[in-house]
Amino acid sequence: QKEVEQDPGPLSVPEGAIVSLNCTYSNSAFQYFMWYRQYSRKGPELLMYTYSSGNKEDGRFTAQVDKSSKYISLFIRDSQPSDSATYLCAMRSEGGTGGFKTIFGAGTRLFVKA
Amino acid sequence: KAGVTQTPRYLIKTRGQQVTLSCSPISGHRSVSWYQQTPGQGLQFLFEYFSETQRNKGNFPGRFSGRQFSNSRSEMNVSTLELGDSALYLCASSLGTGSVNTEAFFGQGTRLTVV
Repeated sequence: QKEVEQDPGPLSVPEGAIVSLNCTYSNSAFQYFMWYRQYSRKGPELLMYTYSSGNKEDGRFTAQVDKSSKYISLFIRDSQPSDSATYLCAMRSEGGTGGFKTIFGAGTRLFVKA
Repeated sequence: KAGVTQTPRYLIKTRGQQVTLSCSPISGHRSVSWYQQTPGQGLQFLFEYFSETQRNKGNFPGRFSGRQFSNSRSEMNVSTLELGDSALYLCASSLGTGSVNTEAFFGQGTRLTVV
């Protein structure tokens, strides 16, 4: 079983829809939860990060973490065609010798149709 | 401020050859992490370097190695290339301080194709 599970999609929605992206994880040592967006032929860029259970909002994006269920979500409101990309969840725990171990989900491909 | 620079952007190699990829982190960043991204496996952690020392390592065979120089630039090397090594190799730089919430910035990656 992978430490982080994420449905690869693809997920296709009409413009203006609310998008819900999710990941589950098995390692309770994860302390820091992130969402990255990756456009085709580009490296991932950090969208949002959270450190504890609860919600965090940034513009049209809301990240939600439920540590008790080991479940994280990213919501995109009023989705736009420019949101079409692959969304990767990532989780970080302390690694060895002072470093940190970051595990990524497989990524969900999102298409927003105009 | 310049971002993370990876060279080359594209590379084609033959099975059995070796390859060296380069990553220049953001100025002031001391941590460089390398990842392999494939459609089937997603983003997988290779290793992290901080101040010229390997600080963490993923589950890859010994054919994958890396190093970091005093200016924080990093290289990764793959020897005896196999077809399955075809992937996008990404590096990420961060301050690398002792905080779990240090943001990592990714380069655009090197697309390696093994034929």
